[in-house]
Amino acid sequence: EDQVTQSPEALRLQEGESSSLNCSYTVSGLRGLFWYRQDPGKGPEFLFTLYSAGEEKEKERLKATLTKKESFLHITAPKPEDSATYLCAARGTYKYIFGTGTRLKVLA
Amino acid sequence: GAVVSQHPSRVICKSGTSVKIECRSLDFQATTMFWYRQFPKKSLMLMATSNEGSKATYEQGVEKDKFLINHASLTLSTLTVTSAHPEDSSFYICSARVGTAFGSNQPQHFGDGTRLSIL
Repeated sequence: EDQVTQSPEALRLQEGESSSLNCSYTVSGLRGLFWYRQDPGKGPEFLFTLYSAGEEKEKERLKATLTKKESFLHITAPKPEDSATYLCAARGTYKYIFGTGTRLKVLA
Repeated sequence: GAVVSQHPSRVICKSGTSVKIECRSLDFQATTMFWYRQFPKKSLMLMATSNEGSKATYEQGVEKDKFLINHASLTLSTLTVTSAHPEDSSFYICSARVGTAFGSNQPQHFGDGTRLSIL
């Protein structure tokens, strides 16, 4: 069965303390791995798409990487405004499978 | 680019009424739209997928007569919750994407959601 698991469930960082969020997937025929940011009471905001193992994408303090089993979202020197829930989703043959997200809190 | 507008953002109504939620893609044509429910601290639960001009495909356990979906144009999809009851209270989110349901690996772009509260 297709599955996406995100860890940790919650993460608290001090401002400037770099870390990584993990998205492990078991999806047959992966056609894309997507990262989103979701603020409370809002819809998810698209960040990145990764299509093949070894691919990397960067945007400001965020960098997403992909292997055949997992994806990482690296956050370098985070700021309080990076606090949000980060969702990943894997596109299989027929469906998008969403993880439950990592709630990130960056303290000033 | 890729802006999706969802309206209304919040609805409070009495049990038994019907509620319509609109989802519009503002700067692109969305051949496929998705409707989700999201519970607190939970992931997105797909309710249905719709392609413009054809009937929506509902996920298992979602009552199609309860949650009516219309995808009348390439920029507009609506979800109508019929005879709403308190258990229908939730956060409903739509998304839009180019390409057909099976033929595209493009990202979904989401609206800001509708908080539905049934008294």
